[in-house]
Amino acid sequence: DQQVKQNSPSLSVQEGRISILNCDYTNSMFDYFLWYKKYPAEGPTFLISISSIKDKNEDGRFTVFLNKSAKHLSLHIVPSQPGDSAVYFCAATTNAGKSTFGDGTTLTVKP
Amino acid sequence: EPEVTQTPSHQVTQMGQEVILRCVPISNHLYFYWYRQILGQKVEFLVSFYNNEISEKSEIFDDQFSVERPDGSNFTLKIRSTKLEDSAMYFCASITGYEQFFGPGTRLTVL
Repeated sequence: DQQVKQNSPSLSVQEGRISILNCDYTNSMFDYFLWYKKYPAEGPTFLISISSIKDKNEDGRFTVFLNKSAKHLSLHIVPSQPGDSAVYFCAATTNAGKSTFGDGTTLTVKP
Repeated sequence: EPEVTQTPSHQVTQMGQEVILRCVPISNHLYFYWYRQILGQKVEFLVSFYNNEISEKSEIFDDQFSVERPDGSNFTLKIRSTKLEDSAMYFCASITGYEQFFGPGTRLTVL
């Protein structure tokens, strides 16, 4: 039972355009959601998070949207830059417990 | 900025051998985790550790695996008799609030 899903294994966008990465979850007990960025041979790096009591959180070029009724969240990156090219993992957690990760989406931003 | 460190960065071992992967979490964190990522797959939870005992473990974390915090700073993952399928990146993480800080990982190669 895959509780966190990222249905798009890859996404390619042009520099300067918006990147939208999507994530769906099934467990209604999740109350905190995180996005991590990962480069090859490195550990995941925290990017941005959102609590289940909010529907939007913004940090610079990164915005995360949460739709609780649809059990869906998305990460928007605008404008996208070539340095954003990496694997992006969505993760969900309950009350400081383990994070359950999605499969990841490989983002490629073309100059 | 404090960070999670892991040693070694790469461990090569023969099947059936024991390996110990080491992690130094961020000093004032209380929850510690091990995750692994098999090449090309998603990050998978192995075990969480709090107050010197395992708080949760996954199906992957069978009797071949053990964790301990021997001296209050190091956090180790031991695999008693490695199998080929244990080859993966192993990430240690420690947590404050909801945000998990990941180490750079140890690449384990079982031959």
